[in-house]
Amino acid sequence: AQSVTQPDIHITVSEGASLELRCNYSYGATPYLFWYVQSPGQGLQLLLKYFSGDTLVQGIKGFEAEFKRSQSSFNLRKPSVHWSDAAEYFCAVGGGNAGNMLTFGGGTRLMVKP
Amino acid sequence: EAGVVQSPRYKIIEKKQPVAFWCNPISGHNTLYWYRQNLGQGPELLIRYENEEAVDDSQLPKDRFSAERLKGVDSTLKIQPAELGDSAVYLCASSQGQGGETQYFGPGTRLLVL
Repeated sequence: AQSVTQPDIHITVSEGASLELRCNYSYGATPYLFWYVQSPGQGLQLLLKYFSGDTLVQGIKGFEAEFKRSQSSFNLRKPSVHWSDAAEYFCAVGGGNAGNMLTFGGGTRLMVKP
Repeated sequence: EAGVVQSPRYKIIEKKQPVAFWCNPISGHNTLYWYRQNLGQGPELLIRYENEEAVDDSQLPKDRFSAERLKGVDSTLKIQPAELGDSAVYLCASSQGQGGETQYFGPGTRLLVL
């Protein structure tokens, strides 16, 4: 069965500091990997996704993520955090042999200090 | 282009009452998903439709939950009767197909069962 672990429930960073959110997955084949962001009272917005090819993926809002097969990880990074980045971030895994079923991690809540 | 539309946005009911949620996916999206998101957790898939056919409903509690997508466009998710533990955010998403297509989420319906 596929699963996703986001080890950090809460993270607080200062505005302008760099950010890395961790994601580890379990999947029996080549995974499709996603990062979504959810602001309070809103639905989920896709930040970026990895299907194949270059393991460093660029997304919207200055985010990037790196797929590391050997570590079963897909960590999200941003070089300089803005106050508007405060939100909840979800990593998800899916794949061709599961149709389009996504399994989400428990989320990481990001707080940004001024 | 309009996104995924859900209504109502909020619903408060007493336990044992019925409740229904409505979703209109993005135009042209054949695949529709219903997720449940409990407080502090990631979304969990309840049911997935390909056009009007439910192709994955293994996580849907069929004793009290039902869903339909009669014309392969909009969809309704119903709970009857509701229980206290059904309090959650119910998210609808749609995609053009399967196999890793990006899922686009609506704002969700926040249900509180008293």
